Amino acid sequence: SAVISQKPSRDICQRGTSLTIQCQVDSQVTMMFWYRQQPGQSLTLIATANQGSEATYESGFVIDKFPISRPNLTFSTLTVSNMSPEDSSIYLCSVERRDTQYFGPGTRLTVL
Amino acid sequence: AQSVTQLGSHVSVSEGALVLLRCNYSSSVPPYLFWYVQYPNQGLQLLLKYTTGATLVKGINGFEAEFKKSETSFHLTKPSAHMSDAAEYFCAVSSNTGNQFYFGTGTSLTVIP
Repeated sequence: SAVISQKPSRDICQRGTSLTIQCQVDSQVTMMFWYRQQPGQSLTLIATANQGSEATYESGFVIDKFPISRPNLTFSTLTVSNMSPEDSSIYLCSVERRDTQYFGPGTRLTVL
Repeated sequence: AQSVTQLGSHVSVSEGALVLLRCNYSSSVPPYLFWYVQYPNQGLQLLLKYTTGATLVKGINGFEAEFKKSETSFHLTKPSAHMSDAAEYFCAVSSNTGNQFYFGTGTSLTVIP
């Protein structure tokens, strides 16, 4: 398995501001993933982050809105930029290990 | 292409009754199949997974699931529901690389005392 932590666990932000979410994993992994879970819905993959290369974004998500950093093999950040109330969601990071994805506890974001 | 369908967005069972959560998948390659549970205000926790081998897999908390290729199903069961089982359950499918996961829309399980 994998032990994954996220910071912050929750935040309330004003529209137009940005929030950076941190994801730390207990040991080195090649790929890290960022998901969004809107209220009452399933998970939607935002992007895949490999260390040393640009993140790969899914359809409907762009780097200007969701810039991602992956400075090393145990850490990644996701920034939600220029937030609007529609960005209110849970943001989850995950890692792949032995063909299985393991998830962090999530960051619950509310945008006013 | 791969996809997952979970029948029943809400399921209610009485405490002690059988739990059955349905999952059907489509996949152009031999699938890896997963069930995750999400308790309120928490992340997703792996319940069980099928990759290869025995088609009946056992997971944590007394849950099990059976891969039925002919029915393209991976239903989750538990013989006797407990109040602590109340949560959201997600079925997922991936290829054997584990990098691209497709999640179902989730089933909310309510356990009635």
